[in-house]
Amino acid sequence: DAKTTQPPSMDCAEGRAANLPCNHSTISGNEYVYWYRQIHSQGPQYIIHGLKNNETNEMASLIITEDRKSSTLILPHATLRDTAVYYCIVKETNAGKSTFGDGTTLTVKP
Amino acid sequence: DTEVTQTPKHLVMGMTNKKSLKCEQHMGHRAMYWYKQKAKKPPELMFVYSYEKLSINESVPSRFSPECPNSSLLNLHLHALQPEDSALYLCASSQSQRNEKLFFGSGTQLSVL
Repeated sequence: DAKTTQPPSMDCAEGRAANLPCNHSTISGNEYVYWYRQIHSQGPQYIIHGLKNNETNEMASLIITEDRKSSTLILPHATLRDTAVYYCIVKETNAGKSTFGDGTTLTVKP
Repeated sequence: DTEVTQTPKHLVMGMTNKKSLKCEQHMGHRAMYWYKQKAKKPPELMFVYSYEKLSINESVPSRFSPECPNSSLLNLHLHALQPEDSALYLCASSQSQRNEKLFFGSGTQLSVL
């Protein structure tokens, strides 16, 4: 699986968009980008995933650059409940396992 | 039902004890996973079961013994653990091993004395 690099921490004001970057410069053509988050004392929660097109669901948007070497998770209107560790993972569909990197701790402030 | 249920939520055990962690899902998922998470670290994969058969063992010490009695249940048997094994143990499931949309339980916080 390709390695990912994320900033260790970010702050965001409540109600503003949170943009979380992820670098995956060694990603291969059959690897997807997945995002999870982990709120304190809970298990990780799936957010969104994509291959090369931008994706949007009820939780977030995922923007993948054209060369697929990086991506950005966007929480359009961050709330205090979005404070969590966000993990970016790249994974080949058939690989059967995924490796969590160190993630970004997002703190949403009032 | 989109829940993965883990029991117990907390467990304290001595190094000579034998205990088991349990995980259950009723989503019809055929892949189930055990992860270990130390404080302030990311989850680390331990085992993957696919269609009730062990698919991946990430070189986990034999004092951890997984079991998948049926497609809904996953156990982790613990024996002769060390204090450094104290961690949050997370169970997850997915439709299949090819599908990475994992559903996680809340975990079992294990303390080994």
